[in-house]
Amino acid sequence: DGGITQSPKYLFRKEGQNVTLSCEQNLNHDAMYWYRQDPGQGLRLIYYSQIVNDFQKGDIAEGYSVSREKKESFPLTVTSAQKNPTAFYLCASSIDLRPGTGNTIYFGEGSWLTVV
Amino acid sequence: GQQLNQSPQSMFIQEGEDVSMNCTSSSIFNTWLWYKQDPGEGPVLLIALYKAGELTSNGRLTAQFGITRKDSFLNISASIPSDVGIYFCAGQPQVSYNNNDMRFGAGTRLTVKP
Repeated sequence: DGGITQSPKYLFRKEGQNVTLSCEQNLNHDAMYWYRQDPGQGLRLIYYSQIVNDFQKGDIAEGYSVSREKKESFPLTVTSAQKNPTAFYLCASSIDLRPGTGNTIYFGEGSWLTVV
Repeated sequence: GQQLNQSPQSMFIQEGEDVSMNCTSSSIFNTWLWYKQDPGEGPVLLIALYKAGELTSNGRLTAQFGITRKDSFLNISASIPSDVGIYFCAGQPQVSYNNNDMRFGAGTRLTVKP
């Protein structure tokens, strides 16, 4: 099936530990994104990538890092510098989102990260 | 970036009733998207709108791209228990600070009583 696969679904992080969330898509989309979702708030953009080997910071990039070595993969690392990492993380992809292209964005199933 | 204003924040309705929710922005948008999210799952795209005035249906769901290009609404007719979830809007501003600027509403939590 075509789609976006995130793993793991649930992840627990100890204080001072880095953890990595995986995101893989087989939609042949150029652009990929990571969003953070907190209760009662709209999605907030962490990082995005429009093309392999290139990525840009979103609105809340501090404490996070990404890589885009392959078109289909966009892993997110939550570093120990992120002081409040407990949240639901969503990976997404699109053909591209240049204004006027009329494209749309599709989401993975999400990953829960909890600090213990 | 500035998020969208979505209302209502929550709705409690009886099965069979119709539902309406909307999103507004202070700036002009060229794309409006509506998603449904079940608890602990990723959002699923319901309807995509790309043109001012566009009215699109998907089963019992109907969404419209406002003529002013600053708003959109989603209607659900004859609600059923499986409509329960969070519905949120997303949109792409006409003028963006980058090529991947998508804004999101905070969501409308829908509860349907049998």
